Amino acid sequence: EAGVAQSPRYKIIEKRQSVAFWCNPISGHATLYWYQQILGQGPKLLIQFQNNGVVDDSQLPKDRFSAERLKGVDSTLKIQPAKLEDSAVYLCASSAGQKQGELFFGEGSRLTVL
Amino acid sequence: GQQLNQSPQSMFIQEGEDVSMNCTSSSIFNTWLWYKQDPGEGPVLLIALYKAGELTSNGRLTAQFGITRKDSFLNISASIPSDVGIYFCVTDDKIIFGKGTRLHILP
Repeated sequence: EAGVAQSPRYKIIEKRQSVAFWCNPISGHATLYWYQQILGQGPKLLIQFQNNGVVDDSQLPKDRFSAERLKGVDSTLKIQPAKLEDSAVYLCASSAGQKQGELFFGEGSRLTVL
Repeated sequence: GQQLNQSPQSMFIQEGEDVSMNCTSSSIFNTWLWYKQDPGEGPVLLIALYKAGELTSNGRLTAQFGITRKDSFLNISASIPSDVGIYFCVTDDKIIFGKGTRLHILP
């Protein structure tokens, strides 16, 4: 079974530029999460989708971050415009929803903002 | 928001030693999970606990869901080099991660 796929693995941009990350969850997983992990910290939940609906986006900085999961499968996270403090690894995870908290993570997309 | 306090923040041990780490909170949770993250990878689930007092093992790993539902413990017996990484406790409330315990094994 294929795991959670993310791209790109690495991205370097200048501040005020925009960037987009893509995630394809495990087939059949209804729930998809985006996390931000700043160096030295634990992952912080940005947004949770159930199929194509948003369950929780309370920690998403909506002035610059947006995410969508239009067909309930893959998802895109966008940052526009980027700030220096957005430098982090963006992790996508999915779950089948049968057991609370059991998430499968991708390898992450590492963003460096200069 | 809810906070999970993991202890210790870092551990430096010799190969073969046993390891203990814990996670506490002021809030009550219904689920405690332990994840491990290797460098350059996403976290991977090690053990999930769904009942207060539950003690669960996965190979050399043993985890317990505290009776008060406010804490959890993870033990690793006879550590080996591949145990190096960051261990996170996670709860079911918005799938919050602790700050992690970094395990280092001395050569």
